[in-house]
Amino acid sequence: DVKVTQSSRYLVKRTGEKVFLECVQDMDHENMFWYRQDPGLGLRLIYFSYDVKMKEKGDIPEGYSVSREKKERFSLILESASTNQTSMYLCASGLVSSGNTIYFGEGSWLTVV
Amino acid sequence: EDQVTQSPEALRLQEGESSSLNCSYTVSGLRGLFWYRQDPGKGPEFLFTLYSAGEEKEKERLKATLTKKESFLHITAPKPEDSATYLCAVRDPNDYKLSFGAGTTVTVRA
Repeated sequence: DVKVTQSSRYLVKRTGEKVFLECVQDMDHENMFWYRQDPGLGLRLIYFSYDVKMKEKGDIPEGYSVSREKKERFSLILESASTNQTSMYLCASGLVSSGNTIYFGEGSWLTVV
Repeated sequence: EDQVTQSPEALRLQEGESSSLNCSYTVSGLRGLFWYRQDPGKGPEFLFTLYSAGEEKEKERLKATLTKKESFLHITAPKPEDSATYLCAVRDPNDYKLSFGAGTTVTVRA
């Protein structure tokens, strides 16, 4: 089975803090993604990576950055957390040759106070 | 820009009462339509991928079908454990990413 593991399920951070969300996949997938999910807004793509050290902005990249130094790991960074970044963050991975089906982790609930 | 619209927003069913969820899309050159199930507080769980009009896939009480403009997720004789939000997504033909609909929340009462 595909396993996408997000390091933290629940986090509470203060405004202005730097926040790291880590994601690891064990299926040698080329593509990895970070989404956020908010009530009424659905899933929105923040960033994605199609290969190691490669990244592209999604629909809502402002206030976020990412890092992909190894194929299995994709990190989302909030440089200076703000209250409007309180959300559920979902990491996903996929393989282009599989028709780009992507598999999600369990999610990280971030509250910024 | 791709548009994925799911209807209805919410569906309340009695156990055993079959129904269908709709996902309509406007992307041209579809390179995959995906269905996911999401339980409260959890990440989406992959169900099906459909690639071409006329294709059908089944898993237990769920059956997904695809036409040129929409997909249906049929739930046959649902049970309370089928209660979840069902998400539909399409793949941009020129990109790696998926665009998601807002989802249909299904509640099945015993």
